Amino acid sequence: DQQVKQNSPSLSVQEGRISILNCDYTNSMFDYFLWYKKYPAEGPTFLISISSIKDKNEDGRFTVFLNKSAKHLSLHIVPSQPGDSAVYFCAASANAGGTSYGKLTFGQGTILTVHP
Amino acid sequence: NAGVMQNPRHLVRRRGQEARLRCSPMKGHSHVYWYRQLPEEGLKFMVYLQKENIIDESGMPKERFSAEFPKEGPSILRIQQVVRGDSAAYFCASSPGLVPPYNEQFFGPGTRLTVL
Repeated sequence: DQQVKQNSPSLSVQEGRISILNCDYTNSMFDYFLWYKKYPAEGPTFLISISSIKDKNEDGRFTVFLNKSAKHLSLHIVPSQPGDSAVYFCAASANAGGTSYGKLTFGQGTILTVHP
Repeated sequence: NAGVMQNPRHLVRRRGQEARLRCSPMKGHSHVYWYRQLPEEGLKFMVYLQKENIIDESGMPKERFSAEFPKEGPSILRIQQVVRGDSAAYFCASSPGLVPPYNEQFFGPGTRLTVL
């Protein structure tokens, strides 16, 4: 049962343009969402997060949008740079009620390639 | 401030042997999580521990797998009688708390287990 889905295995973008990575979830108990970036042979690195009480969070070139009714979130990277080329994982946690202990449910990942 | 440390980075075992993976959380972090990434998949939660306590092991196989986080020393993920299907990357993460904004999980570089 894949509760967090990233339906695009890969995305190719030209340097300077916008990269949009999408993520869908099914569990309505999820109330905190995160994006991680991962290079080969390294651990995931936290990028940006958003609480379910918000619909947008911005940090420099990275913006995450949350549409709770559609159970959909997206990560926008503007402008894209070649150094952004990596695997991007969407993750979610259910914190209300205190029984999930912060464990993360990850999507399958999207490979982003930014061409110079 | 050193990040999350994992060793070994690469581990090769023959079927039936034991694998022992170590994780030292970031200084000041008392929450440790183990995740497994099978080839071509996202990371999957295995177990959540605090010092001397296993809090949530709902993602860990019931047999052959065990985890601990002793009062002194690193957290250990132990796999007995390894099989080829155990070949994966095992990531450890630590966080300073459970509630946003203190629940950000910092990941180690992972241990890549290969079972021959």
